[in-house]
Amino acid sequence: DAGVIQSPRHEVTEMGQEVTLRCKPISGHNSLFWYRQTMMRGLELLIYFNNNVPIDDSGMPEDRFSAKMPNASFSTLKIQPSEPRDSAVYFCASSPWGQGSPLHFGNGTRLTVT
Amino acid sequence: AQSVTQPDIHITVSEGASLELRCNYSYGATPYLFWYVQSPGQGLQLLLKYFSGDTLVQGIKGFEAEFKRSQSSFNLRKPSVHWSDAAEYFCAVAGKNQGGKLIFGQGTELSVKP
Repeated sequence: DAGVIQSPRHEVTEMGQEVTLRCKPISGHNSLFWYRQTMMRGLELLIYFNNNVPIDDSGMPEDRFSAKMPNASFSTLKIQPSEPRDSAVYFCASSPWGQGSPLHFGNGTRLTVT
Repeated sequence: AQSVTQPDIHITVSEGASLELRCNYSYGATPYLFWYVQSPGQGLQLLLKYFSGDTLVQGIKGFEAEFKRSQSSFNLRKPSVHWSDAAEYFCAVAGKNQGGKLIFGQGTELSVKP
């Protein structure tokens, strides 16, 4: 079990550029979550999918953010255009579908927007 | 709305001393409860979880937590702290019938002094 794999580990970009974060969940897990971690706001749930379908995107901060899950083994979180306030660590997590299933987290992508 | 409060932002304990990290939650019913640990530059790792039944749950690395319904608390304990326990600890809740999404507390940073 390779765990949840996120790429890149670090991303530095200039304001206005498009950023794409990638996630490969654990094989067999039906749910996928995107979280953002900052010092000020802690861990915030952005969006989650069940069986590749977005279930709750109420945490997506604004239209500049979008997420897709084209298949069970891949998801992306895109920010276009990026802004300095988007700087954070973005985590992807997956879990087997079922009430109370614990989340398995990737190591995160640290995004810096200058 | 669900919420999780971890009153202590930072705690320092001596190696070998006992530890208790506090967690209070707000939820209309008994939720699923979790404790996660995050080491620097890493994702979150599950320590333990409570679903129902015995209110004292055992986790990995010698940690345990006790669910107290009357106090809406789920405090994490360890009888003897090791230097390797220095990390950030997060309490989280998941509502039943909410697809497994977790709401996290702000975290408690644990420092261990020799």
